[in-house]
Amino acid sequence: DTGVSQDPRHKITKRGQNVTFRCDPISEHNRLYWYRQTLGQGPEFLTYFQNEAQLEKSRLLSDRFSAERPKGSFSTLEIQRTEQGDSAMYLCASSFLRDKNTEAFFGQGTRLTVV
Amino acid sequence: SQKIEQNSEALNIQEGKTATLTCNYTNYSPAYLQWYRQDPGRGPVFLLLIRENEKEKRKERLKVTFDTTLKQSLFHITASQPADSATYLCARRNAGNMLTFGGGTRLMVKP
Repeated sequence: DTGVSQDPRHKITKRGQNVTFRCDPISEHNRLYWYRQTLGQGPEFLTYFQNEAQLEKSRLLSDRFSAERPKGSFSTLEIQRTEQGDSAMYLCASSFLRDKNTEAFFGQGTRLTVV
Repeated sequence: SQKIEQNSEALNIQEGKTATLTCNYTNYSPAYLQWYRQDPGRGPVFLLLIRENEKEKRKERLKVTFDTTLKQSLFHITASQPADSATYLCARRNAGNMLTFGGGTRLMVKP
């Protein structure tokens, strides 16, 4: 499989619990992005990595959110003390910094439901 | 802040007709606009990219235009098919190559 892989596809959790999502990008891609999408809206940028360095974080990313990309390969997104407002689709995308004409390849997403 | 606006109302058309979706942006023109297709429960899939100095870009039945005067991009699907039914997202690339998306327009093609 040469696409972006996300795990799990679905997660239901109780409010206050911690959750962690994983993203495996396309292997030769050095940039990895996390987006959040709620129903009827477009994806909203959360954070991105170039190799293992986290270069930017959106103000949407509260202190309860943390992302890592050890060794510049897969990435994890953790949400601590989940709230109902965290319910959304979490999308991972990757791209290769070659030139400015770089499309993003998205995974299938992890749908989080906080009850 | 840079915003991307798309018509939130669904577009319903008859099979065989041309679908036209609109994307408007605010403030300065982006160097590039990208169009993605998203099916329910799945991630967006890249379709086309157009540069600000390109007026038109085509790929098979798809055509995208970029009008920097109107601050608008139009996305056309000719000879539409029911399989084209999906949500279509417009996005501008920002520094770092992250994307700012519009809310998407849902297209329904009826047989």
